[in-house]
Amino acid sequence: GAVVSQHPSWVICKSGTSVKIECRSLDFQATTMFWYRQFPKQSLMLMATSNEGSKATYEQGVEKDKFLINHASLTLSTLTVTSAHPEDSSFYICSAMSRLLDNEQFFGPGTRLTVL
Amino acid sequence: LAKTTQPISMDSYEGQEVNITCSHNNIATNDYITWYQQFPSQGPRFIIQGYKTKVTNEVASLFIPADRKSSTLSLPRVSLSDTAVYYCLVALINDYKLSFGAGTTVTVRA
Repeated sequence: GAVVSQHPSWVICKSGTSVKIECRSLDFQATTMFWYRQFPKQSLMLMATSNEGSKATYEQGVEKDKFLINHASLTLSTLTVTSAHPEDSSFYICSAMSRLLDNEQFFGPGTRLTVL
Repeated sequence: LAKTTQPISMDSYEGQEVNITCSHNNIATNDYITWYQQFPSQGPRFIIQGYKTKVTNEVASLFIPADRKSSTLSLPRVSLSDTAVYYCLVALINDYKLSFGAGTTVTVRA
């Protein structure tokens, strides 16, 4: 099946710093990419939808200035957590979708962010 | 989006069949039912999708009664590696915004 990677797989940073997470579709071009957040023992929550070359659409309650999303190509989307704080510590998961693959969402392995 | 209700957890033993039932009383006519599997510290993985009656693939079967107000994911002969959280989602086939509920934590014991 289609493969989606994320980098880094885990990151630890100090409070106040910014962290960038990459999401790549390795063997297909993604029409749309999605970013989710998952706190421990909780379900995935959609943060934003990103289409290549256009601004991301954020879900209600998600600060777009804090979670910067860039979808510069059909195979890469990045999520930057700006001025991270301990409450931003979470598991961030991306997914990628292609019309040529029946619009099925393929999920990345996730990135564990810990903010000290 | 139709709300779904699943058991919080289920325990099973290796070799047994596991059936997880999801309730979705307000499912709409054009909604499909999709199940995902998630291992700890990994992204979800698509398992199966269906609209009505029965769907089977190499991993699982999905049973959907005529009224479509519920669905049952059946995992035949589970192994320890099937320990995971299983999510039931109900949405339009072209609704790309997936709404994950609490899921069912399935624990398979030796």
